[in-house]
Amino acid sequence: AQTVTQSQPEMSVQEAETVTLSCTYDTSENNYYLFWYKQPPSRQMILVIRQEAYKQQNATENRFSVNFQKAAKSFSLKISDSQLGDTAMYFCAFMKRVGGSQGNLIFGKGTKLSVKP
Amino acid sequence: GAGVSQSPRYKVAKRGQDVALRCDPISGHVSLFWYQQALGQGPEFLTYFQNEAQLDKSGLPSDRFFAERPEGSVSTLKIQRTQQEDSAVYLCASSLGSGSGQPQHFGDGTRLSIL
Repeated sequence: AQTVTQSQPEMSVQEAETVTLSCTYDTSENNYYLFWYKQPPSRQMILVIRQEAYKQQNATENRFSVNFQKAAKSFSLKISDSQLGDTAMYFCAFMKRVGGSQGNLIFGKGTKLSVKP
Repeated sequence: GAGVSQSPRYKVAKRGQDVALRCDPISGHVSLFWYQQALGQGPEFLTYFQNEAQLDKSGLPSDRFFAERPEGSVSTLKIQRTQQEDSAVYLCASSLGSGSGQPQHFGDGTRLSIL
């Protein structure tokens, strides 16, 4: 079975600074996908970034980038130039590659990020 | 609408009552998922539909939980004889295709409280 661990229950960062959220996972699969989702207090889960395990290049989306270390089973999220609107719960999630169908997401427990003015 | 729509947003029921939660996915999305999110936790998978076919229901916690998607669009999650441990936020997500790895788009969820 796959597990996802987020070891930082809470973090805070000053506006405009950079913060890194940690995520490790355990799997025996070789082909899979990794995601970071953001859940603001309004509750809707929003996709931040997606990584395909067979791609060595780290994914980036504007101010968001990941450090994907497949051998170490590590998938950290870096947020640059933090903004007040980045305040939210951040969830790391794993999806096994499944032939012929979608796979479900396995989530970590989340990291609560507070961006301070 | 453009996003995944869930109703009701809040539901309060007495223990033992039956409840029905509705999910309207993004138009044209083939795949639909239900997740349960307990307070302070990450969402946990309940069940998965590809069109009208329920391909995976391994996450349903008991036979009191039942989900359907009869016409391959709107889905209903039904919980019979509710218990206090059923209190949680129920999230619905949809994705465009049936291929692996596609991003899932989530609704706002239904917060269920069992008294």
